[in-house]
Amino acid sequence: EPEVTQTPSHQVTQMGQEVILRCVPISNHLYFYWYRQILGQKVEFLVSFYNNEISEKSEIFDDQFSVERPDGSNFTLKIRSTKLEDSAMYFCASRGGTNSPLHFGNGTRLTVT
Amino acid sequence: DQQVKQNSPSLSVQEGRISILNCDYTNSMFDYFLWYKKYPAEGPTFLISISSIKDKNEDGRFTVFLNKSAKHLSLHIVPSQPGDSAVYFCAASGQTGANNLFFGTGTRLTVIP
Repeated sequence: EPEVTQTPSHQVTQMGQEVILRCVPISNHLYFYWYRQILGQKVEFLVSFYNNEISEKSEIFDDQFSVERPDGSNFTLKIRSTKLEDSAMYFCASRGGTNSPLHFGNGTRLTVT
Repeated sequence: DQQVKQNSPSLSVQEGRISILNCDYTNSMFDYFLWYKKYPAEGPTFLISISSIKDKNEDGRFTVFLNKSAKHLSLHIVPSQPGDSAVYFCAASGQTGANNLFFGTGTRLTVIP
């Protein structure tokens, strides 16, 4: 069964550094998402992406965050200047259409020191 | 802004018995509901969904019930198996934007052999 893949599985970075989290969504999916889960908290929506542009973003997704689909397969989340509170699991997800389930990757654990 | 709530953080059930996980939502615009299962170090895995035009959807051992007037849904697992032990997230979306999902805080199910 096709799956969403995320790399790296764990990223450690120093505060103020830029990080790029990478995702390869399921190939025929059209909608792409980033979510995050801070340890012990709920899964939170960050941003959705469709037709090469952001469809919706949450309050968490401020100017430090950006997303890109640089080619036909990758979907990236960039954090320009990481803060301690950015430490979380970041999940990429994709779906084929509206009202179909999101399929999640296994996440990237980001640790900001 | 807790639009989706799972008030039970944990549930323990004997193997073979029924597990009932509950979820409440506040946004009457939600019209698509999903249950996800999550193991440690993995992303959420889609289990079952229901749209607001139905009140029940069944898939093998898993049944989701939706009570729109009460803004409540539940997931029934019968019979429960030790492999069902995981965190279960309820999620909801509505006809807005790219239909991002709003997640509950999760219920940790432990099935005792």
